[in-house]
Amino acid sequence: DAKTTQPPSMDCAEGRAANLPCNHSTISGNEYVYWYRQIHSQGPQYIIHGLKNNETNEMASLIITEDRKSSTLILPHATLRDTAVYYCIVYGSSNTGKLIFGQGTTLQVKP
Amino acid sequence: DTEVTQTPKHLVMGMTNKKSLKCEQHMGHRAMYWYKQKAKKPPELMFVYSYEKLSINESVPSRFSPECPNSSLLNLHLHALQPEDSALYLCASSQIWLNRGQGTEAFFGQGTRLTVV
Repeated sequence: DAKTTQPPSMDCAEGRAANLPCNHSTISGNEYVYWYRQIHSQGPQYIIHGLKNNETNEMASLIITEDRKSSTLILPHATLRDTAVYYCIVYGSSNTGKLIFGQGTTLQVKP
Repeated sequence: DTEVTQTPKHLVMGMTNKKSLKCEQHMGHRAMYWYKQKAKKPPELMFVYSYEKLSINESVPSRFSPECPNSSLLNLHLHALQPEDSALYLCASSQIWLNRGQGTEAFFGQGTRLTVV
């Protein structure tokens, strides 16, 4: 299973874009990049996923580099409610079927 | 309905008690998961069920006993727990087991906060 590396913490000003990076240099061709977040004392919440192309939904955008070795989750206009731990996870058909969480990035959105 | 419902939300139990955690989903998902999360740590996978069959047991002690009586329901039976088992227990489900590699996301419940005294 491909491993991911994320910065332990980041700050972002309210109303600005939050750009959360993730390195996954050992990703294989059939593995997807997933992003989840966990707001304090709640269950993790799915945000977005992608394989090769950039993706956008109502919550966020996902930019995957051409070599697929890294990605960036973009929250276009961060609010205080976006303060959470953000997890970047890689898995696919070569995966053992385990959704494994790393340490994630704690995003603090400040007023 | 995109909810995974876990009950109870909070549970305090003694080390000699037997209790059960319950998880329900009505999304037609055929894979369900139990996770354990200690404070300030990421969730750790415990069990995976696919089509009501136990597919993964991450070497969890036998004092934790999972059960999947039907495709909508997942239980975690607890017996003779230790204080270090106190944690947030999370249930999740996905349309199919994640090893199918078809871009399937998991939906999580809000968890049961367990305290063992």
